[in-house]
Amino acid sequence: GQNIDQPTEMTATEGAIVQINCTYQTSGFNGLFWYQQHAGEAPTFLSYNVLDGLEEKGRFSSFLSRSKGYSYLLLKELQMKDSASYLCAPRGGYQKVTFGIGTKLQVIP
Amino acid sequence: DSGVTQTPKHLITATGQRVTLRCSPRSGDLSVYWYQQSLDQGLQFLIQYYNGEERAKGNILERFSAQQFPDLHSELNLSSLELGDSALYFCASLAGGKGSYNEQFFGPGTRLTVL
Repeated sequence: GQNIDQPTEMTATEGAIVQINCTYQTSGFNGLFWYQQHAGEAPTFLSYNVLDGLEEKGRFSSFLSRSKGYSYLLLKELQMKDSASYLCAPRGGYQKVTFGIGTKLQVIP
Repeated sequence: DSGVTQTPKHLITATGQRVTLRCSPRSGDLSVYWYQQSLDQGLQFLIQYYNGEERAKGNILERFSAQQFPDLHSELNLSSLELGDSALYFCASLAGGKGSYNEQFFGPGTRLTVL
C-alpha cells in the first residue's frame, strides 16, 4: 500500500520562503511528483524527482531522499497567487501514482 | 489549458439517478485516469484505461463503471447516485515519450451535485 503524510495547512508571508514536507511509504518506488491545485481547479504538474537530491525550477525546488521516504517542495519569493494546495504524489509499482491529501498554503501580505 | 477536455463542467441531479461524464485526453495520449475529489479531500484514484483496455482499478464503487472508446475518449458512468457521490471528478491523461516524466495532465473536472 501507499501512505503519504503532509501538513494539512501552512501560512507564509508574501516574499518569504516556505518548505512543504512530505513523507511517504510505497510498494516499489518510481519517482515522486508535486502538483499545485487551486481551489476548485485541476491539479497542475510542478516537479518530478526520481533520484536523490534537489531539482530546481525557477522559484520552485523539490528535494528527494529515497532512503528516508522523504521529499520537500521549496517555494521562494512567495506571491499571493501561490496560495493553493500542494499535492505530494509518489509513484509506486505498476506506475501507480497516489496523491496525498495536500497541504493548503495561505500566503498573507 | 492542459489539452484534456471534460464535459459537462457542472451536473446537478437527484439521488437514484444515473449520469455519464465524458473525457477526451490530450492528442496522442493513450492513458486515461479517473479521480474523485470530495470537498477538502484528496484525489481518490478510481480507474485507469490504456488504449481501450482497463489497466488498473482503485477505490471504484460497483455502482460506477467506465470505458475507453477506440477514439480514446473515455466515459465514467455513475448510477444509483447517493448524496455522498457529490464531488469533483477529474480525468487525466498521461504524457509519454521522450523528454516527459510521464506526468499526468488533468482536465478541468466535472462538478457533480447530487440532491
